[in-house]
Amino acid sequence: EPEVTQTPSHQVTQMGQEVILRCVPISNHLYFYWYRQILGQKVEFLVSFYNNEISEKSEIFDDQFSVERPDGSNFTLKIRSTKLEDSAMYFCASSDWAANTGELFFGEGSRLTVL
Amino acid sequence: DAKTTQPNSMESNEEEPVHLPCNHSTISGTDYIHWYRQLPSQGPEYVIHGLTSNVNNRMASLAIAEDRKSSTLILHRATLRDAAVYYCILRDSGGSNYKLTFGKGTLLTVNP
Repeated sequence: EPEVTQTPSHQVTQMGQEVILRCVPISNHLYFYWYRQILGQKVEFLVSFYNNEISEKSEIFDDQFSVERPDGSNFTLKIRSTKLEDSAMYFCASSDWAANTGELFFGEGSRLTVL
Repeated sequence: DAKTTQPNSMESNEEEPVHLPCNHSTISGTDYIHWYRQLPSQGPEYVIHGLTSNVNNRMASLAIAEDRKSSTLILHRATLRDAAVYYCILRDSGGSNYKLTFGKGTLLTVNP
């Protein structure tokens, strides 16, 4: 069964450092998402991406965050200067259809720890 | 986004049916009802979705009230692997990308 894969599974970084989280969505999917989950809290929407541009972003997704799809297969989330509060599990998701019946497929997540 | 209300937690015994309720009194006519679950240390996983009629798939059944203001996810025979947080989500039909907005969900504990 096709799946969304994410790397790294766990990254530890120092505050102020740049971090790139990588995702390989399911190959025929066109819609891509990043979510995060701080330990013990809800899964929060960060950003959605379609046709090589951001289609929607939350208030969490400030200027420190960026996304891109550099090579047609990977979908990356970059945090330019990490803060302690960026420590969370980051989930990538993809879908072949953005309609309200479409299923999102999530990856296993990348755990980011900022020291 | 229309909101949903779910119990914080429920408990079940292995091999017994589980009925997970969800209230969504402000649902709009075009909102689909989606259920996802999140197993421990994993990403969310799609379970089932529906609009008006009851739905069945290999994982579960979804019973939707006639007025659509509530729904129930039914696991016919709970297994230990079904222990997870279950999210009832109304899929945003007004946006351009139909993102999922997760609430706190129901933590299901399955006892052996």
